[in-house]
Amino acid sequence: GEDVEQSLFLSVREGDSSVINCTYTDSSSTYLYWYKQEPGAGLQLLTYIFSNMDMKQDQRLTVLLNKKDKHLSLRIADTQTGDSAIYFCAESSPVDSSYKLIFGSGTRLLVRP
Amino acid sequence: DAGVIQSPRHEVTEMGQEVTLRCKPISGHDYLFWYRQTMMRGLELLIYFNNNVPIDDSGMPEDRFSAKMPNASFSTLKIQPSEPRDSAVYFCASTEGGTVEAFFGQGTRLTVV
Repeated sequence: GEDVEQSLFLSVREGDSSVINCTYTDSSSTYLYWYKQEPGAGLQLLTYIFSNMDMKQDQRLTVLLNKKDKHLSLRIADTQTGDSAIYFCAESSPVDSSYKLIFGSGTRLLVRP
Repeated sequence: DAGVIQSPRHEVTEMGQEVTLRCKPISGHDYLFWYRQTMMRGLELLIYFNNNVPIDDSGMPEDRFSAKMPNASFSTLKIQPSEPRDSAVYFCASTEGGTVEAFFGQGTRLTVV
């Protein structure tokens, strides 16, 4: 079955770049996502990438996709304390157009002042 | 739109009691998902509906769990009887078929003592 894996924890200094990595197993994945969860809140979509793309940039966020290695990364430039949260990688394929999401375990990002 | 609304935000109940979690999806969304988040297992998809019809309930852990969607604006997840291992945060999410983003509620934190 599908599986998505992430490292559990990342600590960076404010102003540095953060890179969060993810691997997935389902080669039929159509979309790959990064969701952010702040304490006590639900998940919020940060960005996504279609599987035929290699890279997507959105302001401070850069997503890289290596489809051959089934590896996805999220780079946050100039990381701020407000970026401290749990980041979830997720993948989906359009089974009956539902885009059912399979999530990784989440990476807790701690930004030190 | 106020987004996906879940109630209650917190629920503490005694083992053996029935628990009902509620969700109001975003108006116009035809897909609704129930997820469970625990430290041990991360985010798991329990069940999802399309146009009020359950499509995949393979993630429902046991017969003690049931979910209904009587109309397009309301869904419930019921646990009867509840057990301490059901303690988790339960999220509801909704999306419009064919679109990319799923919108999550703020979750219900369930504690079974």
